[in-house]
Amino acid sequence: DQQVKQNSPSLSVQEGRISILNCDYTNSMFDYFLWYKKYPAEGPTFLISISSIKDKNEDGRFTVFLNKSAKHLSLHIVPSQPGDSAVYFCAASEGETSGSRLTFGEGTQLTVNP
Amino acid sequence: DVKVTQSSRYLVKRTGEKVFLECVQDMDHENMFWYRQDPGLGLRLIYFSYDVKMKEKGDIPEGYSVSREKKERFSLILESASTNQTSMYLCASSLWGAPSGRRDTQYFGPGTRLTVL
Repeated sequence: DQQVKQNSPSLSVQEGRISILNCDYTNSMFDYFLWYKKYPAEGPTFLISISSIKDKNEDGRFTVFLNKSAKHLSLHIVPSQPGDSAVYFCAASEGETSGSRLTFGEGTQLTVNP
Repeated sequence: DVKVTQSSRYLVKRTGEKVFLECVQDMDHENMFWYRQDPGLGLRLIYFSYDVKMKEKGDIPEGYSVSREKKERFSLILESASTNQTSMYLCASSLWGAPSGRRDTQYFGPGTRLTVL
């Protein structure tokens, strides 16, 4: 039972254009969402997060959008750079308890071409 | 900066061997986690721990056990390694009671690529 799904295993974009990575979830109890980036042979690193009380959170070139009614979130990267090429994981958690377990999606491999 | 270290980057073991994967974090985090990452399956939680000597099963605990004798150290044990346990193993830690806006952020180690022959 995959509660967090990233339906696109890969995405390829040109440098300077927008990258849009999508994520869907089924558990309505999820109330906090995170995106992680992972380079080969390294652990994932935290990128950006959003609470369910918001519908948008922005940090520099990265913006996360949350549509609770559709149980969908997306990560926008503008402008995309070759160094953004990595696997991106969407993750979700439920409840007020800090440090609670995360449920991850399958990941999307983003390739930004120069 | 949070630092999570894992004892080995690459490990090759034989079927039936007992395997220990060690993880150490230096930020006094209460929570520690073990995941495995496989292509097309993302990160799957094996075990986690909220405190010393405390452990909880994740989504795929079968064939694994854990030990947390000290706050900074969380060990994953494969009692009898099998070929289907060939994977990338990732350890993570997080702070209990993180400030608002950083809740549930987990910090990961570099991973251990385990091959079981």
